[in-house]
Amino acid sequence: GAVVSQHPSRVICKSGTSVKIECRSLDFQATTMFWYRQFPKKSLMLMATSNEGSKATYEQGVEKDKFLINHASLTLSTLTVTSAHPEDSSFYICSAPPGRMNTEAFFGQGTRLTVV
Amino acid sequence: AQTVTQSQPEMSVQEAETVTLSCTYDTSESDYYLFWYKQPPSRQMILVIRQEAYKQQNATENRFSVNFQKAAKSFSLKISDSQLGDAAMYFCAYRRLDNYGQNFVFGPGTRLSVLP
Repeated sequence: GAVVSQHPSRVICKSGTSVKIECRSLDFQATTMFWYRQFPKKSLMLMATSNEGSKATYEQGVEKDKFLINHASLTLSTLTVTSAHPEDSSFYICSAPPGRMNTEAFFGQGTRLTVV
Repeated sequence: AQTVTQSQPEMSVQEAETVTLSCTYDTSESDYYLFWYKQPPSRQMILVIRQEAYKQQNATENRFSVNFQKAAKSFSLKISDSQLGDAAMYFCAYRRLDNYGQNFVFGPGTRLSVLP
């Protein structure tokens, strides 16, 4: 099946700094990628939809200035958590559908962010 | 808006026995897809099974099968001959038929324990 690679898998950063998370589709092109946030023992919550060549679409309640999304190419989307605070600590997962009409999405391995 | 409900936060099953995980959803759409995803301790999301709403036949994948009741908006997962490796969080997910990309709505999850 298609492969989505997410990096880093774990990151610890200090409060006030920014951290970038990368999501790559390794063997297919993705015009759309999705970014989810997962709190401990909770479900996945869609944060935003990343669109190649255009602005990301953010879900209600998600601060676009804090969670910067860039989809610079058909194989790479990045999520930058700016001015990170401890409450931003969470598990972040990206996913990408291989094609418009394909029914399945493929998920990255996730990134555990800890802000100290 | 679509919602997905999983009424069982936790379930347990003896190894080699059968367990059924419940899922209900709410939508006004007539065509859509339903999925069961497994999230083991590694946090990697793994597709277990999927069902197209326009198909009346229940999907099966080896030891995994679903009971799809469209009128009741119910989509349960049956795991037969449970194995220790089946222990994980299981998420029921809905995807509307969107022309552009895939937007999943996830249920809150059911944590399945398999007892030796």
